[in-house]
Amino acid sequence: NAGVTQTPKFRILKIGQSMTLQCTQDMNHNYMYWYRQDPGMGLKLIYYSVGAGITDKGEVPNGYNVSRSTTEDFPLRLELAAPSQTSVYFCASSYSETSGKTQYFGPGTRLLVL
Amino acid sequence: EDKVVQSPLSLVVHEGDTVTLNCSYEVTNFRSLLWYKQEKKAPTFLFMLTSSGIEKKSGRLSSILDKKELFSILNITATQTGDSAVYLCARNRDDKIIFGKGTRLHILP
Repeated sequence: NAGVTQTPKFRILKIGQSMTLQCTQDMNHNYMYWYRQDPGMGLKLIYYSVGAGITDKGEVPNGYNVSRSTTEDFPLRLELAAPSQTSVYFCASSYSETSGKTQYFGPGTRLLVL
Repeated sequence: EDKVVQSPLSLVVHEGDTVTLNCSYEVTNFRSLLWYKQEKKAPTFLFMLTSSGIEKKSGRLSSILDKKELFSILNITATQTGDSAVYLCARNRDDKIIFGKGTRLHILP
């Protein structure tokens, strides 16, 4: 049981390049999330998904896209990288409960856009 | 605006002191309020609070939620250097989990 895994751990992109951040969980969680965390700041929700085939925008979705074709995978796509997207990206997953949920986080992907 | 506000933003205390971290929010209908500890990497879960007035405890850490006044506190007693971290508060509403900026806690030996 690996929990939530993210790849790559670190990446440098040039402005305008595209890339996909991978996130996989093996806990059969319905809910998955993508956050970004800028230096010294809290996490901001980019996109989330409540189940396979369903995605929704969070606080800061501009410049990103997601898909959820399977329960396990929730990739985050950057189409035209910009310096403002330099950040640490965390993927998380959780069970679906009526009264709240506990999130499990991946180790993060550090992205630098130059 | 739907925000989660944490205070103080940073705090430095000596080992053995007791600290109280605050989290206030602006929406009244939500599923739960969550506390996390973040050291070098990803956050680790501490507490989930859903009911007002019921304290949750885990060792030297405890937390309580006041739904009427729209805030929660996280208490750490007899602090140790290993408690140095950023403590994040988040609220879960309609499946959207929104985080505060965190409180950076530093414990001096």
